[in-house]
Amino acid sequence: NAGVTQTPKFRVLKTGQSMTLLCAQDMNHEYMYWYRQDPGMGLRLIHYSVGEGTTAKGEVPDGYNVSRLKKQNFLLGLESAAPSQTSVYFCASSYTGGANQPQHFGDGTRLSIL
Amino acid sequence: GENVEQHPSTLSVQEGDSAVIKCTYSDSASNYFPWYKQELGKRPQLIIDIRSNVGEKKDQRIAVTLNKTAKHFSLHITETQPEDSAVYFCAATLMDSSYKLIFGSGTRLLVRP
Repeated sequence: NAGVTQTPKFRVLKTGQSMTLLCAQDMNHEYMYWYRQDPGMGLRLIHYSVGEGTTAKGEVPDGYNVSRLKKQNFLLGLESAAPSQTSVYFCASSYTGGANQPQHFGDGTRLSIL
Repeated sequence: GENVEQHPSTLSVQEGDSAVIKCTYSDSASNYFPWYKQELGKRPQLIIDIRSNVGEKKDQRIAVTLNKTAKHFSLHITETQPEDSAVYFCAATLMDSSYKLIFGSGTRLLVRP
């Protein structure tokens, strides 16, 4: 049982390039989340999904897209990377997403945009 | 919008002393309050959580208290050890259909040997 797995762990991009971050969970969780973490700003929600085939915007969705084609996978895409998107990205999942459910985090992806 | 305020932003204590971190939340309907510990370069890990039907919960040296009337909750760490040094985040559930967690901005705890 690996929990929440994120790939890649590190990536350097040039401005304007595109990439996709992959999050996979093997806990049969319904809800999945993408956060970004910047120094001194805690965790900010980018997008989330309440189940296979559904996605919704979080607090800071601009410049990102997501897809949840399979229940176990949640993809975060950057269509045209900008230096402001340099950050550490964390994926998390929870069983139902209802109240009282803890979120389990992956190890993060450290992304630098030059 | 809904938010969670966390204080202090940094906290330095002597090994063996107690540490207290406080959070206030704005959504009066929130009923789930987890605390996460994040070591440098690592993932946030759940260390304790509390639900609104209880006022206090303990797990060895860690305890959390909740005051729903005042809309604040606190993390208490007793007999601190150097390995407690980390960033701690509080969170509260946003009680709309998303049940998202709203995180505080974090407290950097340093335990001096």
